[in-house]
Amino acid sequence: ELKVEQNPLFLSMQEGKNYTIYCNYSTTSDRLYWYRQDPGKSLESLFVLLSNGAVKQEGRLMASLDTKARLSTLHITAAVHDLSATYFCAVDTGNNRKLIWGLGTSLAVNP
Amino acid sequence: NAGVTQTPKFQVLKTGQSMTLQCAQDMNHEYMSWYRQDPGMGLRLIHYSVGAGITDQGEVPNGYNVSRSTTEDFPLRLLSAAPSQTSVYFCASSYSWNNSPLHFGNGTRLTVT
Repeated sequence: ELKVEQNPLFLSMQEGKNYTIYCNYSTTSDRLYWYRQDPGKSLESLFVLLSNGAVKQEGRLMASLDTKARLSTLHITAAVHDLSATYFCAVDTGNNRKLIWGLGTSLAVNP
Repeated sequence: NAGVTQTPKFQVLKTGQSMTLQCAQDMNHEYMSWYRQDPGMGLRLIHYSVGAGITDQGEVPNGYNVSRSTTEDFPLRLLSAAPSQTSVYFCASSYSWNNSPLHFGNGTRLTVT
């Protein structure tokens, strides 16, 4: 059974600091997605990573995928309050049309 | 574009009642799905569809039915509501199953008493 583990689950950081969220998964996959969810809101797609070594950047967020290590990272550079949200990774097993989701990382960026 | 539209936004049901959550998308997406989101459990797939007339079960299908008679619509039916179905429900669609991110509706918060 595919498992997707995110860590940390909760993260409180200061504005201006850097940090990395990790997404580990337990079976072979070369397709991984990152989503953002603001409190009480819907989910918004951030990144689509479709191959080993894929790196995508948008503003202060950068995501990467290492399929050999079964690991994706979401790096936050010089955090700002607007990045406060919950971040989810989701993995496509490739065997069926289903994504398996991590539990999410709740990020709070404090002044 | 409206994107993915879910109705209602909030609903309270009594145990044993049935209801239909509506989902419509105007992006001509092939793939549509229903998730439930519960605290501490992340998102779990209930049912999905890869095109009109085709549906399949996800991780937690029991107690729910779906149909896909048109590309645009993918309603979720609760047959006999139970308190365990209290959750936030999201409909999501994508252009194709692989390579495309999901577009989510705004969610339906359902409480079953």
